Parts: sequence; structure tokens; C-alpha cells
Amino acid sequence: GESVGLHLPTLSVQEGDNSIINCAYSNSASDYFIWYKQESGKGPQFIIDIRSNMDKRQGQRVTVLLNKTVKHLSLQIAATQPGDSAVYFCAAHSGGSNYKLTFGKGTLLTVNP
Amino acid sequence: DSGVTQTPKHLITATGQRVTLRCSPRSGDLSVYWYQQSLDQGLQFLIQYYNGEERAKGNILERFSAQQFPDLHSELNLSSLELGDSALYFCASSVGPEKETQYFGPGTRLLVL
Repeated sequence: GESVGLHLPTLSVQEGDNSIINCAYSNSASDYFIWYKQESGKGPQFIIDIRSNMDKRQGQRVTVLLNKTVKHLSLQIAATQPGDSAVYFCAAHSGGSNYKLTFGKGTLLTVNP
Repeated sequence: DSGVTQTPKHLITATGQRVTLRCSPRSGDLSVYWYQQSLDQGLQFLIQYYNGEERAKGNILERFSAQQFPDLHSELNLSSLELGDSALYFCASSVGPEKETQYFGPGTRLLVL
């Protein structure tokens, strides 16, 4: 089955710095990936997604990079702000017609002022 | 605010009991997903309904069941509750049946004593 992991359980950065959160997935058939942000006491919030036919996708202050060769994706947050402090999850679609997302355990991002 | 609503927000019950969690998707969304989030297992996909029909099944226990009604709201029924069922239960919705952004509700926190 799919397993999705994150390289670091916690990440601490200074306000204004760029943040990079990494994620590895195991199923080479995974074809759709999503990054979610979860603040304390709230449900996960969609940040950005990417399909397997792309290597890079940019949003507002966020960029997702996908390396299918090594089954790795990363979330880059530019000019990190205190409001970015949260747990970040990557999720991978398992591929095929049986749709389900497998989530990683999450990385806690702390932004220091 | 994602537009997905869940009730109740908190639920405290005893082992062996049965509870029902309710979810109303965003207006226009036909898919509803249920997730369980616990500290040790992370966010786990349970089940998906699309336009009233079961679409995909994840790690849902036989003691758990769900349904989606004609008005598209969904209920997750948890029976013969065990201590280990204590967790956050999230509902998410999306427009279509697969590979789309899922919008999460605020969750129901279940505590089984």
C-alpha cells in the first residue's frame, strides 16, 4: 500500500526566511499530490496540488516540486510569516480508480519572529 | 471557513456506546470523505461517498458505517466504541468523484471513556 512520510517532524525558521518541507512517497503509481496546512484546532486546509505530469507548480508564496524519479516532493514557502506556523501534510493519491488519499504524519513548522 | 460543517464539535461517550457524526458538504459538492486523525496514526482515510453512493473505502472498521443522504449530507456511525476510537473525525467534500481539492470541515473530537 501507499506510505507517505516526511523527512522532518519539526521545522523552525525565522520570519522572512524561506521554508522547505519535504515528503517522500512509496507508490510509483501515485499520480496526484496535495499539500495541506493544519492549524491547531482546525481542519486541514488546502494549499496547493500537483499532478504527476508536472514537476513544479507555483501558488501565492508557495511552490511544490515533484521528483518522480526519487518519489519525492517538497513544499517551499517564501518569506515565511508567523501565520504560516502550522502542521503541514503531504498527501498522495494511490492511483487507479479506487480513489483515496494517503497522508503523511505531518511536519510542524514554527516561525520565530 | 471551508463551507463544510460538522456536528457535534465535541463528543464524550463511554465504551460500548454508539454515536453518529454529521457532515454537510460545501454547496455544490457531491463527494463527501471521512477521515480519522489520531496522534499515533495521523490522518487516515475512512470512506468516500459520491452523489449518494459509496465510492471508495479506506481503513474503515466494520464497527463503523457511513451513508450519504439525498440532500448530500453524510453521517458516520461509530458503534461498540473502544478507547482507541478516541480521535478527531474530519469530513471533507469536493465537487467531483476524484483527484480534486478536498475541503475539510472543522472536525468532531470524540473522546471514549
